[in-house]
Amino acid sequence: KNQVEQSPQSLIILEGKNCTLQCNYTVSPFSNLRWYKQDTGRGPVSLTIMTFSENTKSNGRYTATLDADTKQSSLHITASQLSDSASYICVVKDWGGKLIFGQGTELSVKP
Amino acid sequence: DAGITQSPRHKVTETGTPVTLRCHQTENHRYMYWYRQDPGHGLRLIHYSYGVKDTDKGEVSDGYSVSRSKTEDFLLTLESATSSQTSVYFCAITAAGSNYGYTFGSGTRLTVV
Repeated sequence: KNQVEQSPQSLIILEGKNCTLQCNYTVSPFSNLRWYKQDTGRGPVSLTIMTFSENTKSNGRYTATLDADTKQSSLHITASQLSDSASYICVVKDWGGKLIFGQGTELSVKP
Repeated sequence: DAGITQSPRHKVTETGTPVTLRCHQTENHRYMYWYRQDPGHGLRLIHYSYGVKDTDKGEVSDGYSVSRSKTEDFLLTLESATSSQTSVYFCAITAAGSNYGYTFGSGTRLTVV
């Protein structure tokens, strides 16, 4: 069964610190992997999209990595800010065009 | 979000009543989707559309119907609302192409009492 698993479920960090969120998937064949940020009460907003041939992609303080061999991805946030508090969702698109969503990691950045 | 709006933002309705949620886009994108988001689950696809009057079912389509009579509007109807349909509903749009991003609306929080 195609699945996307994220860890941890939730995370609390202090402002200014770095953190890394993990995503493991079993989707095969796989078209691309996306990371979304979802603020409370809002829809998800795209951070990065990576195909299987891309290892790293950055968007400001967000850096996503992808290892297609081990089917793992990570999202690294550098120098966290209070506005980074949100749910981060890993999404894998299969060759049929279907998006498979992870349950998300709830990040809380404290002052 | 710019280019896509959902209405209403919040709705409380009674079990057994019909409910229609609206998604409106100004991007002229071909593809439109309805998802629901529930605690403990990732977003799940209800229905999608790949053009005017062209729609298809997603993984959790039971109890829902959709219509798309214009490129810009995609309606989701709960024919007879049940408590299990209490959820947050998101509309999304994308242009054609596998690596295009999806733009999501701000969601509709629906409570069925």
